[in-house]
Amino acid sequence: RKEVEQDPGPFNVPEGATVAFNCTYSNSASQSFFWYRQDCRKEPKLLMSVYSSGNEDGRFTAQLNRASQYISLLIRDSKLSDSATYLCVLNTDKLIFGTGTRLQVFP
Amino acid sequence: NAGVTQTPKFQVLKTGQSMTLQCAQDMNHEYMSWYRQDPGMGLRLIHYSVGAGITDQGEVPNGYNVSRSTTEDFPLRLLSAAPSQTSVYFCASSYENTGNTEAFFGQGTRLTVV
Repeated sequence: RKEVEQDPGPFNVPEGATVAFNCTYSNSASQSFFWYRQDCRKEPKLLMSVYSSGNEDGRFTAQLNRASQYISLLIRDSKLSDSATYLCVLNTDKLIFGTGTRLQVFP
Repeated sequence: NAGVTQTPKFQVLKTGQSMTLQCAQDMNHEYMSWYRQDPGMGLRLIHYSVGAGITDQGEVPNGYNVSRSTTEDFPLRLLSAAPSQTSVYFCASSYENTGNTEAFFGQGTRLTVV
């Protein structure tokens, strides 16, 4: 079983829609969790960290469920500029990346 | 502030050739790492370093060497290139490798081995 599993998508949603991605992980010793964003043919960049209590950054909400070993990312009021691949990342003593979920927002 | 700089951006090699991918960071980060990214595979860790003079293997180290003589530089050497090493390579650095520490990536090197 992969350490981090994500639905590769693509998720095709209209502007203004709400979309959610989940990610499951197998290593219960994982210390911290992140969502990274990767635009086509670009490097990954940190979108947000994920805290046990849940955290929000504008239109983006991230949640962690340690008991069920998954994290989620919710994007509200999708914009065309949100089109990208979203990488679920966990930190044991190294960063472990999921394969990513591709989001395409259309007009 | 340049962040993480990788060179070259593109490279074509013939099978059996060797080359070095360069990575430099100017943020005084202790932790540096190399990943390769292949379709459907995500980013896989090749080698990493927790500080100058210290390196260790990641998930897919075979065919690659690294060294860390300074805090700033972390070159990746391909000893004898093979078509299976065709990939996009990313170098990353972070202040440390624990906790909620952001990793900063270089722009990537697109390598094709023919």
